[in-house]
Amino acid sequence: TQLLEQSPQFLSIQEGENLTVYCNSSSVFSSLQWYRQEPGEGPVLLVTVVTGGEVKKLKRLTFQFGDARKDSSLHITAAQPGDTGLYLCAGEGGNNRKLIWGLGTSLAVNP
Amino acid sequence: GAVVSQHPSWVICKSGTSVKIECRSLDFQATTMFWYRQFPKQSLMLMATSNEGSKATYEQGVEKDKFLINHASLTLSTLTVTSAHPEDSSFYICSARVYGNTYRWMGADTQYFGPGTRLTVL
Repeated sequence: TQLLEQSPQFLSIQEGENLTVYCNSSSVFSSLQWYRQEPGEGPVLLVTVVTGGEVKKLKRLTFQFGDARKDSSLHITAAQPGDTGLYLCAGEGGNNRKLIWGLGTSLAVNP
Repeated sequence: GAVVSQHPSWVICKSGTSVKIECRSLDFQATTMFWYRQFPKQSLMLMATSNEGSKATYEQGVEKDKFLINHASLTLSTLTVTSAHPEDSSFYICSARVYGNTYRWMGADTQYFGPGTRLTVL
């Protein structure tokens, strides 16, 4: 059974601070996706990483896929209150191509 | 592009009644649709995978007679919560996926999510 461990589960920081969210697994994923979700809404795809070692940037967000495609990280620089939300990682692997979800990181950025 | 809608966005019902939730892909035909359940500040829990014209595949622990899924067309899937009880209260989210590069303007093999439906059973 594929599992995706996401940490931290909760994070409360001050505006301007940096943070990193991790997703780790013992399994290899063909791709890994990061989503952001606001209360009462569906998840919105931020990025998909496919190649081992790949780094993608989305303004102040930097996403990295591990060389072995078993782990990924999301780094936010100079966090702003608008970054507040639930961040979810999801890996795709196996023949059924279902997404394996991390437990999520609930981020609160205080002004 | 790649919009998935859900209806209703929220519903309150009495215990024992059935509730139907619709999921539509508005500007594309989805190969597969997924139904998820989510509790506050928690991750998504996959309930079932639905392909058009075939029976849904339910995840372990999800009662198929309780959560009826109908996938009548490539743009519409419905989830019916039968004889709902307070413990069924949750946020239900659907997603639609197109495999491969059928639509050049979409990300390949990307899953697009609906806005969710908040179900409250009294």
